[in-house]
Amino acid sequence: DGGITQSPKYLFRKEGQNVTLSCEQNLNHDAMYWYRQDPGQGLRLIYYSQIVNDFQKGDIAEGYSVSREKKESFPLTVTSAQKNPTAFYLCATALAGDNEQFFGPGTRLTVL
Amino acid sequence: GQSLEQPSEVTAVEGAIVQINCTYQTSGFYGLSWYQQHDGGAPTFLSYNGLDGLEETGRFSSFLSRSDSYGYLLLQELQMKDSASYFCAVLNYGQNFVFGPGTRLSVLP
Repeated sequence: DGGITQSPKYLFRKEGQNVTLSCEQNLNHDAMYWYRQDPGQGLRLIYYSQIVNDFQKGDIAEGYSVSREKKESFPLTVTSAQKNPTAFYLCATALAGDNEQFFGPGTRLTVL
Repeated sequence: GQSLEQPSEVTAVEGAIVQINCTYQTSGFYGLSWYQQHDGGAPTFLSYNGLDGLEETGRFSSFLSRSDSYGYLLLQELQMKDSASYFCAVLNYGQNFVFGPGTRLSVLP
């Protein structure tokens, strides 16, 4: 099956702990994106990557970090520096230069 | 910077037609996209306008006017399953997407 996998679906962490969210795709898409969505709000871009070993900050990158060592994988680390990490995190992919994004099922992170 | 505005909520009855507007301020972009998101789910792509005018895909149509910095999504023959949030988004020259705040559509029987 082609698609985007995000795991786990629900994640709980204690305040002050770093946590890494997984995003894997087998669509052979070049571009990958991480978004944050708060209840009743739109999607805000955290980081994006157009090619392996390269990535750019989005609008709300502070307190987050990413890596892009493989085309298929774009993990997001939510660090203890992120003041309000509880949110719904969505990973997306796209073909280079294409206008359509494909989204994974999302990870709902709750920091206690 | 770039910003997009949408109405927060729209309500319509089954079988009706509804239009969801999107106005934007952006320095440059390739086109305007629309996504649907059901509660708890992931957004799914509905349509894209790279050029001014109307694009039709089944019951959904989307329109763009660059001179007016305005676009809309038109949903016809509304069904209960169309109850969802709808987001407009611009694909900017940096090859990333900026999303609007979303419009929650409620379809009543």
